[in-house]
Amino acid sequence: GAVVSQHPSWVICKSGTSVKIECRSLDFQATTMFWYRQFPKQSLMLMATSNEGSKATYEQGVEKDKFLINHASLTLSTLTVTSAHPEDSSFYICSARDRRRMREKLFFGSGTQLSVL
Amino acid sequence: GENVEQHPSTLSVQEGDSAVIKCTYSDSASNYFPWYKQELGKRPQLIIDIRSNVGEKKDQRIAVTLNKTAKHFSLHITETQPEDSAVYFCAASNPSYGKLTFGQGTILTVHP
Repeated sequence: GAVVSQHPSWVICKSGTSVKIECRSLDFQATTMFWYRQFPKQSLMLMATSNEGSKATYEQGVEKDKFLINHASLTLSTLTVTSAHPEDSSFYICSARDRRRMREKLFFGSGTQLSVL
Repeated sequence: GENVEQHPSTLSVQEGDSAVIKCTYSDSASNYFPWYKQELGKRPQLIIDIRSNVGEKKDQRIAVTLNKTAKHFSLHITETQPEDSAVYFCAASNPSYGKLTFGQGTILTVHP
């Protein structure tokens, strides 16, 4: 159990376009999901905390107008990178917590490699 | 906020040797400390975790120790195998915020 699905796994786009990444909890309800960004050979940096039915909480230094997060249901959160530029190229990964059990454990999606040309 | 420091950044061992990775945290309210293994381009996988009411936990070749007073915790891998080669991350979680703060990662290489 506790499977988190993330799509797409990789995307290449032109500079200036927007890209949407989906994160789904397949067999549990997740009131809270987290979005991380990871550059090559670096750690996971938390971008924002996504709460179902409310606005996301962004970490310091993360532009909320550039990284739009929507958590419309208990099983789906989306991250939209708006007007992407080459510096946005990175590995984006979501995670979710099963609210009914194993409250502290985070389950990760498979990640999305974004390349902006 | 929480700050997690992880050392060493790279670790190279011979197959069969032990590997130890250490982390320190800054927030005394943090009470959950997981360790993740991440292979290139893949998702982090939880390999072991420990809560602040426990000092040590073991799962086969992997063990984690926690010193709450000193605010540090360590991952111990015994009888290392080439398949253990990966990047390992420690993390700490404060129950008030519910989010994980990760260490910088350790690249472990196990030579056959």
